[in-house]
Amino acid sequence: RKEVEQDPGPFNVPEGATVAFNCTYSNSASQSFFWYRQDCRKEPKLLMSVYSSGNEDGRFTAQLNRASQYISLLIRDSKLSDSATYLCVVIPNDYKLSFGAGTTVTVRA
Amino acid sequence: EPEVTQTPSHQVTQMGQEVILRCVPISNHLYFYWYRQILGQKVEFLVSFYNNEISEKSEIFDDQFSVERPDGSNFTLKIRSTKLEDSAMYFCASSDSRDGYTFGSGTRLTVV
Repeated sequence: RKEVEQDPGPFNVPEGATVAFNCTYSNSASQSFFWYRQDCRKEPKLLMSVYSSGNEDGRFTAQLNRASQYISLLIRDSKLSDSATYLCVVIPNDYKLSFGAGTTVTVRA
Repeated sequence: EPEVTQTPSHQVTQMGQEVILRCVPISNHLYFYWYRQILGQKVEFLVSFYNNEISEKSEIFDDQFSVERPDGSNFTLKIRSTKLEDSAMYFCASSDSRDGYTFGSGTRLTVV
């Protein structure tokens, strides 16, 4: 089983729509979880950390389900600028980030 | 906002040559990393560096690779005898803890 698995998409949504996708992780001892955003051929940029209680940052909501070992990201009122690849990132019990392969979101006008 | 700086942004090299990729981490960060991303694939961990030594490395980081922090500000990745399959984006990252990573904009390495 891969350490971090994501639905690659693509998710094609109209502006203003809500889009949500999940990521599963295999190491139950994982301690930290993040969503990163990556634009084409650019570096990953931190979108938000994911906390056990769930957290929201503007139009973005992230949730963690430890029992089922998945995290989710929901984007409300999507904008054209939200088009990107969203990377699920997990820190197991060591120093390195484990990346998912990414979920591609395309928002169309 | 503090940033991680990588040079060069693009490096083309012939197979078998050595390359050095350079990074200037954020000045008060203590943990340094190299990751790579082959085109169309996921970001992969190469190596982490703390307290002037490698703290962890992946199976990708074999004897062909080495890292150095020569002067307290630069953090370099050396790839000896490059192969075609080393072509990738190489990202440097730094953090002040186990969280809060900042990535550099990457060096695109093309081996021909």
